[in-house]
Amino acid sequence: DGGITQSPKYLFRKEGQNVTLSCEQNLNHDAMYWYRQDPGQGLRLIYYSQIVNDFQKGDIAEGYSVSREKKESFPLTVTSAQKNPTAFYLCASSRGLAIYQETQYFGPGTRLLVL
Amino acid sequence: RKEVEQDPGPFNVPEGATVAFNCTYSNSASQSFFWYRQDCRKEPKLLMSVYSSGNEDGRFTAQLNRASQYISLLIRDSKLSDSATYLCVVNMGNNFNKFYFGSGTKLNVKP
Repeated sequence: DGGITQSPKYLFRKEGQNVTLSCEQNLNHDAMYWYRQDPGQGLRLIYYSQIVNDFQKGDIAEGYSVSREKKESFPLTVTSAQKNPTAFYLCASSRGLAIYQETQYFGPGTRLLVL
Repeated sequence: RKEVEQDPGPFNVPEGATVAFNCTYSNSASQSFFWYRQDCRKEPKLLMSVYSSGNEDGRFTAQLNRASQYISLLIRDSKLSDSATYLCVVNMGNNFNKFYFGSGTKLNVKP
């Protein structure tokens, strides 16, 4: 089955700690995205990547970092500089082409909590 | 002004009712439009794309009004299983697909 996997499902972070969220896709998609969702709010874009070894900041990139060394993988690191990291983190992918009705597919998400 | 705006609801309707949601978008250059469904504590899932001519999928009908910059979703004969949050999504297109999400409209279908 093709799809997007995220791990872990739940993650606990201590003060001052960096944590990394995993995102893997086997859809052969070029574009990948990280979003953050807070309760009762919409999705906000953290980072996105159009192609391997390239990524761009989204609307709320401060305190986060990413890498894109492989097409299938787009891990997100939540650094100690992110002062309010508690949220639901969603990874998504799309073919990445500017074509009509290009759609985006989501992984199951990681819920990050601060201890 | 947000790129995509939705009424957060909740819309509380009885089973069998017809309910409609609207969503407005700010960028007239927006190219494609979608409705996603999100269940509590789950990821969003694509419900349907919205085409210029309007489109229907079973009990669900989506329409686009470019002149007034809004899209709508109509659900007929509501089921208990339709209870969820419905997200309006707009794709700005151009040379890369950047998606903008509304905050969602919550629907509660009651027996």
